[in-house]
Parts: sequence; C-alpha cells; structure tokens
Amino acid sequence: SAVISQKPSRDICQRGTSLTIQCQVDSQVTMMFWYRQQPGQSLTLIATANQGSEATYESGFVIDKFPISRPNLTFSTLTVSNMSPEDSSIYLCSAWTEVDTEAFFGQGTRLTVV
Amino acid sequence: QKEVEQNSGPLSVPEGAIASLNCTYSDRVSQSFFWYRQYSGKSPELIMSIYSNGDKEDGRFTAQLNKASQYVSLLIRDSQPSDSATYLCAVNPRGKGGAQKLVFGQGTRLTINP
Repeated sequence: SAVISQKPSRDICQRGTSLTIQCQVDSQVTMMFWYRQQPGQSLTLIATANQGSEATYESGFVIDKFPISRPNLTFSTLTVSNMSPEDSSIYLCSAWTEVDTEAFFGQGTRLTVV
Repeated sequence: QKEVEQNSGPLSVPEGAIASLNCTYSDRVSQSFFWYRQYSGKSPELIMSIYSNGDKEDGRFTAQLNKASQYVSLLIRDSQPSDSATYLCAVNPRGKGGAQKLVFGQGTRLTINP
C-alpha cells in the first residue's frame, strides 16, 4: 500500500493568482496522476505526472494552466495558474505502486477562488 | 459518448437487501476494471478490482464483468447503512497505445435505508 500526503488541504485564493499543490508518497511509485473533482461530480483526470519528463495531459487541460512537476518517484506538484472562480474544485493526487493495480489517493486539496 | 458511464442515481435500497450498481465502458480493448467507494468529503477507496470475465466475490461484494457487452457491475449483499456512499466505476483503457491511466464514471450515489 501507499500513503499519500497532499498539501495544502484547503485554500482560498484570489483570482489571477497561482497555487501549487504538493503530493508526497511514502514509497516509490510507478505512476502518479492528478484529478479534479468539482462539487457533486466524479473525478476528471487532468494529467499523468511522468518522472523526469513532461506530464501527459488529457483533453481540455493544458500545461500553461496546470503545470506539473515530478522530480522523483515519490513527489509531484500541480500548479493551478491564473486562477478564476471556475477553478474552484477539489484536486486529488493519485498513485499506482504497481501498474494497473489499486490506485491510492491523497486526501485532496479543496480550492476556492474568489 | 463518455468513456465510462454509470447511472448517477440516487439509488435507494432497504437495509439487508441487495444493491446493484452498473457501469458501461466504450473502449472494447479495456482490460482492467475497478470499483471505488467515496464517502462525502473523503477520498475514493478501492472496493474491488476485476480483470477477467465472470464474477469475483469478496465478502458482501461481488463484481461482475462481461467484456462482450462492455459491462461491469457491483452487487452489495446484506446492505448496511454504512454502505451509503457514492460508488465510482473506473477503467484502465490501456489498449490505447499503452497509455496507462484510470478513467472514472460519474458515480452512483447509494443510500441504504434502515
């Protein structure tokens, strides 16, 4: 299993600013992902964080808006840039210890943009 | 067409009855299927994974997979009030050029009535 620590747990930000969310795993993992979950909705995959290379973004998400880093096998960051109220959501970090097995989740970051 | 579809519910089941949750997926080459449970304000947690056609049982939970019909279901026997949550179907469509990721359906909100 893996324990994922995500921070901050919540934040209230001004529009036009940026927030960086950190995700730390207690063991080396093969794959890390970032999801967005809007109120009452399911999880939407933003991107796969690739270690040592650029993230792979899903349709509708771009690097300029959601830059992602993954400098090693246990850590990743997601930045929400130039925020607007539409970015208010829960952002979740997820990881596979082994490909195609149980995906573990962080506790999420609840972001409110005002 | 969405990659993974579920009835959003809400689904209401009396305590002690069987709850049946359904999910369809669009990519025929999908190989791996997962059911997650998410309590309000919490992160998703894995209930079952299934990779082969047929049934897989774990305690009160049974996952059923039919790849020909592109259909996966979750049965909860002897439903308890503590089973009240949103159930998320997730699929790894790794047939797509090897891209490894987990795509979620919109979730079914289940309420078990005492």
